[in-house]
Amino acid sequence: GQSLEQPSEVTAVEGAIVQINCTYQTSGFYGLSWYQQHDGGAPTFLSYNALDGLEETGRFSSFLSRSDSYGYLLLQELQMKDSASYFCAVHGGQNFVFGPGTRLSVLP
Amino acid sequence: DVKVTQSSRYLVKRTGEKVFLECVQDMDHENMFWYRQDPGLGLRLIYFSYDVKMKEKGDIPEGYSVSREKKERFSLILESASTNQTSMYLCASSLEGANTDTQYFGPGTRLTVL
Repeated sequence: GQSLEQPSEVTAVEGAIVQINCTYQTSGFYGLSWYQQHDGGAPTFLSYNALDGLEETGRFSSFLSRSDSYGYLLLQELQMKDSASYFCAVHGGQNFVFGPGTRLSVLP
Repeated sequence: DVKVTQSSRYLVKRTGEKVFLECVQDMDHENMFWYRQDPGLGLRLIYFSYDVKMKEKGDIPEGYSVSREKKERFSLILESASTNQTSMYLCASSLEGANTDTQYFGPGTRLTVL
């Protein structure tokens, strides 16, 4: 089968750094994406990794290791507005599979 | 900006009714998707389409069908709604061949089946 695993909840304080991990098991693999979803809102794209290594976009970075079927999203200098759910997603060739989501709570 | 719109934000239907959920995107994207989102389960792919009149089953197609008669419009059909289809339905689109795989989501339709 196809499955993605991520922690269900993460809590951190403003200004801190947090890492959200994602492990996947899929029949095919083109790339790993990350999406952010605020309560009541639609998911919005954050980043995409097709190759191993780190991709940096402002305060957010995403890492992929295809040999370990593992990736993570790194959020730096946390702000209150970063409180949201974060989903990893795998494009498996003939399908897209999303993880169950990680709810990030940023405390003052 | 890419805009994906869905016909309703909230919908209440009765068991056995036929339900149509409409999705329209304005960026000439080839790919369109229908997901349902349930707490603790993330987004699950119901159907997707890579071109007009083309459709592919996702992970949970049972009880659903789709229609793509025009490139900008992708419809999800519940032939006979059941209570276990109460959920948030999200439509998305993406550009074929894009190297970032970005999907643009609509605001969602929260469907309640009584």
